[in-house]
Amino acid sequence: DAGITQSPRHKVTETGTPVTLRCHQTENHRYMYWYRQDPGHGLRLIHYSYGVKDTDKGEVSDGYSVSRSKTEDFLLTLESATSSQTSVYFCAISGLAGGETQYFGPGTRLLVL
Amino acid sequence: DQQVKQNSPSLSVQEGRISILNCDYTNSMFDYFLWYKKYPAEGPTFLISISSIKDKNEDGRFTVFLNKSAKHLSLHIVPSQPGDSAVYFCAASAVSGGADGLTFGKGTHLIIQP
Repeated sequence: DAGITQSPRHKVTETGTPVTLRCHQTENHRYMYWYRQDPGHGLRLIHYSYGVKDTDKGEVSDGYSVSRSKTEDFLLTLESATSSQTSVYFCAISGLAGGETQYFGPGTRLLVL
Repeated sequence: DQQVKQNSPSLSVQEGRISILNCDYTNSMFDYFLWYKKYPAEGPTFLISISSIKDKNEDGRFTVFLNKSAKHLSLHIVPSQPGDSAVYFCAASAVSGGADGLTFGKGTHLIIQP
């Protein structure tokens, strides 16, 4: 298994509070991704990173920001959580860009009350 | 607009028989396809992939077929085992598309009946 951890694994928070999710990898892969999974939607890309300090938006980026200050860490921040951001969040990594397998972390289950 | 479609939300198959999961795509730029398996409360696990230069790729009990003209791929599992019960996601990317992630279908819940 690829060395990917996510923290926290579960979180309950209130509407309007900031939340940061962390993804940590030990594979030294260049590319990192954040997805969310919701019933009836499969997995949807939120943001991705193609190097330290290099990030870009995905399909559902509104309300989220990311940062990558080190190769191994990719942070996802909800500046002011809303109930629509209740979801399961997955981090993924890959060694190359398009045409490359992505490997996923175990996920973070977030509940916004 | 969904670019990757898995039209069967669920599929029930008897143990020992063949499971066939289907996936259709609309984006002609997609040229790399993957299947992931997901158990509850775990992350998706990579199963098998295929490049558009091939029409078949096999790995043990798992075979993926790609029909580019029909923009259709399928995953065959033979023989099906109880541990295969999971949600299966089809995903696609464009090799030339850079690092902009995978596009996923909504998944098919495969249930293997004893």
